Amino acid sequence: AQTVTQSQPEMSVQEAETVTLSCTYDTSESDYYLFWYKQPPSRQMILVIRQEAYKQQNATENRFSVNFQKAAKSFSLKISDSQLGDAAMYFCAYRSADSNYQLIWGAGTKLIIKP
Amino acid sequence: NAGVMQNPRHLVRRRGQEARLRCSPMKGHSHVYWYRQLPEEGLKFMVYLQKENIIDESGMPKERFSAEFPKEGPSILRIQQVVRGDSAAYFCASSLSRESGSPLHFGNGTRLTVT
Repeated sequence: AQTVTQSQPEMSVQEAETVTLSCTYDTSESDYYLFWYKQPPSRQMILVIRQEAYKQQNATENRFSVNFQKAAKSFSLKISDSQLGDAAMYFCAYRSADSNYQLIWGAGTKLIIKP
Repeated sequence: NAGVMQNPRHLVRRRGQEARLRCSPMKGHSHVYWYRQLPEEGLKFMVYLQKENIIDESGMPKERFSAEFPKEGPSILRIQQVVRGDSAAYFCASSLSRESGSPLHFGNGTRLTVT
C-alpha cells in the first residue's frame, strides 16, 4: 500500500524568505501523481501544485516549486518570497495514475509566517 | 460562484442524533466524492457517487453511514446515531469526469462536533 510521510509537523519562516517543506512517499507503482494542497484557516483545500511522475521536469507555479526526486521518492515544496497569506497547513498527497480520487494524504505541515 | 458548496459549515449533534451533510457540486459536475479529516491528519476517502449511483464506498464505515446523490438536489452524507468519534471535518469534492486527469474541486467542508 502507498504511504505519504510529512516529517515536519510545523515550520516557520520570516516573511519574504524561502522555506522548503518535505514529503516522502512509498509506492511500487511507476506512474502516479503527486500534489501539494494548502488548507488555510478557512478550511478550504486549495491545490497548490501538481507533478506527474513520468515528467522529469519539476513543476512550478509562480512562487511555488517542487523538487521531485523519483528514485528517492521525495517531493519537497519550496515557497519563495514567503507572504503572510501563505500561512496554512500544507498537505502532500499521492494518487495512482488510474484513479482521480483515491488520494493518499500526508499528516500535514503547519507553516507559520513571521512578519 | 459556481464552486463546490457544502452546508452547514458547522454542525453540532448530541450522541445518538442524526447528522446530515449536504454537498452541491460544481455546475456541470456529476461525480461527487466525500472525505473525512480527523484533527492533525490528511483526508481519508469515504465514498464516490455519480448521479443516483454509488460507484465506490470502500472507505465508508459499514454501519451508521450512508450517502446518496439523487437525480435532483445535492449529495447527502448521513450519519445515524452519531458518536464522539464521528467528530471531524467532512469534505466533498466534485469532478467533471472520472478520468485520471480530471481534477477534484473541494468544498470548504462541514465540521461536525458530537457532544
